[in-house]
Amino acid sequence: KAGVTQTPRYLIKTRGQQVTLSCSPISGHRSVSWYQQTPGQGLQFLFEYFSETQRNKGNFPGRFSGRQFSNSRSEMNVSTLELGDSALYLCASSFGQGISDTQYFGPGTRLTVL
Amino acid sequence: QQQVKQSPQSLIVQKGGISIINCAYENTAFDYFPWYQQFPGKGPALLIAIRPDVSEKKEGRFTISFNKSAKQFSLHIMDSQPGDSATYFCAASIGGYQKVTFGIGTKLQVIP
Repeated sequence: KAGVTQTPRYLIKTRGQQVTLSCSPISGHRSVSWYQQTPGQGLQFLFEYFSETQRNKGNFPGRFSGRQFSNSRSEMNVSTLELGDSALYLCASSFGQGISDTQYFGPGTRLTVL
Repeated sequence: QQQVKQSPQSLIVQKGGISIINCAYENTAFDYFPWYQQFPGKGPALLIAIRPDVSEKKEGRFTISFNKSAKQFSLHIMDSQPGDSATYFCAASIGGYQKVTFGIGTKLQVIP
């Protein structure tokens, strides 16, 4: 079974631009979560989608948004990029949202904002 | 505001030794405490997890100890091996994988 895939793996943008990252969950998984990982703040939860509905949202500004499609694939968008948005963005999928549903992470997309 | 405090941030252990990573949480509503292992260039992978009604859980060389009254939990890696060298994250959530809160991470290096 293929794991969680994220595209692109690396991205360089300039301040003020916008970016869209893509995540394909493990086949059959309906829950997709997004995290931002930086050396200073560690892993921070962005949002979680289940069956195309955003179920939970972290403490990030409205410039960060996401969506999930009917095939469970998910995208996240960051508008008006700032230097501080440089980070590794991780996507994780699980079959459901319960404790018994193991969450599997993708390799991440490394975003650099210049 | 860091709801899950993790220490130390880096750790060097001799091969065969015991690696100990500690975490403390503030929100008593947390009811699920997973630990993740992350190798360079990879996403985190679930290592072991515990619920607060259990004081200890062991899987192979990895053991979680949980102290609900102190709001602390720790990961012990027995007989540490060079292949265990990675970054370890403790985490906490309410009701499963909804809005998981992570610790800052501990970079473990096991030297031969």
